[in-house]
Parts: sequence; structure tokens; C-alpha cells
Amino acid sequence: DAGITQSPRYKITETGRQVTLMCHQTWSHSYMFWYRQDLGHGLRLIYYSAAADITDKGEVPDGYVVSRSKTENFPLTLESATRSQTSVYFCASSDGRTTNEKLFFGSGTQLSVL
Amino acid sequence: GQQLNQSPQSMFIQEGEDVSMNCTSSSIFNTWLWYKQEPGEGPVLLIALYKAGELTSNGRLTAQFGITRKDSFLNISASIPSDVGIYFCAGEYGGATNKLIFGTGTLLAVQP
Repeated sequence: DAGITQSPRYKITETGRQVTLMCHQTWSHSYMFWYRQDLGHGLRLIYYSAAADITDKGEVPDGYVVSRSKTENFPLTLESATRSQTSVYFCASSDGRTTNEKLFFGSGTQLSVL
Repeated sequence: GQQLNQSPQSMFIQEGEDVSMNCTSSSIFNTWLWYKQEPGEGPVLLIALYKAGELTSNGRLTAQFGITRKDSFLNISASIPSDVGIYFCAGEYGGATNKLIFGTGTLLAVQP
């Protein structure tokens, strides 16, 4: 049972480069999310998606782009990476059927922008 | 934007001790959640709270949804080494499902 997987696990890139972080879930959950985790800030929502072809901004969307052409995939792209985007990125999914909307998280991608 | 203040930031305790941590907000939430994150992994849901005043247990963990709907606490009784991790509170906001705001986390270290 694969669940939710993120790739790559670790990524080092340079300022100005485009980077795409992948997220794949096998549960057919309708909702998917991208969070970034930084010391002193906890988890902050970047973008989320309620279904295929439906995406919306979260708390910190600037500098990021998402797409959701298929229910199971929700890639996050940094179009021109900056040092401030060095962070640990978590993808999550939820079936959206209960009010608490339990989130299932991937294991994270640690991104360093040099 | 809405903020969740979580305290303490870190705790270093002996095995067997009880632990208490809490979250407060200036805003009202409809749902409070508590997650645990172990090193190198994503957060995992521990307890979900849906009603003001609600007290819910999950093994040695107990959490309560504050009466004012602006706070919540998590207690861990008789801590063990595998309790080590970062504990996050999260509140559901905005009237839309699935939109959570997370606290800054409490790092728990347990000395055997």
C-alpha cells in the first residue's frame, strides 16, 4: 500500500533554476495540499486542490505554481528558485468526507537553494 | 493572518513523566487537531476534536477543545522514549474544509 509518495527526497539547486517537486497518492483522495515547514513557522500552506483541474492559493503561494491534471498527482513547481525557498516541503491528501479532513502526509522533500 | 501560538517550544523530560502542551489563538476554530512528526517523516494525526469542551483520549494521549474555541491542550501520560518527536496543533479555519493552520510545534525529548 503505497499511500502518498514524494520525490525527490532531497534536492539541491541553484538560485534562478526551475524545480519541480512531485507528489503521488494512490487513495484517489479528492483533496491534495502542499505545505512548507520552516523553523519557527511550523507548516504553512502553499497551494491546495479540491479536485483535478481545481487549485487554489494557500497562505504563502508566491513563487510557486501547481497543476492537477490527474487526481493522483499534484506537482509543485518553483519557477525561479530563491534562497528563501530553502525548506522542507510536504505534500498531503484527504478524502474530504469528514469535517476534520484528516490529512495524510508524505515523507517530505528537503530542498536547498544555493 | 491567523496565528496559532504553541507552547512550550521544547521539552526535555525523563521517561515516565507526564507532559502537557497547548495552543492558543486569537481566532475561533471549528476543529482542533493534534499531529506528531517523527524525524524524517511527515506529521501523523493523533487526535481530532470537533466540539467546544470535548475531551478525547487516544491511549496515553488526552486532548481537549477549549470552551472558548480559541485553545486546545494535549497531555501525554507516563512518557516513553518513542514519544520523541515534534507535536503540532492545527485548527480548521475559513469555513472551507481541509484548510488548516498549524502551530509552530513542540519538540519533545524523552530521556530513558
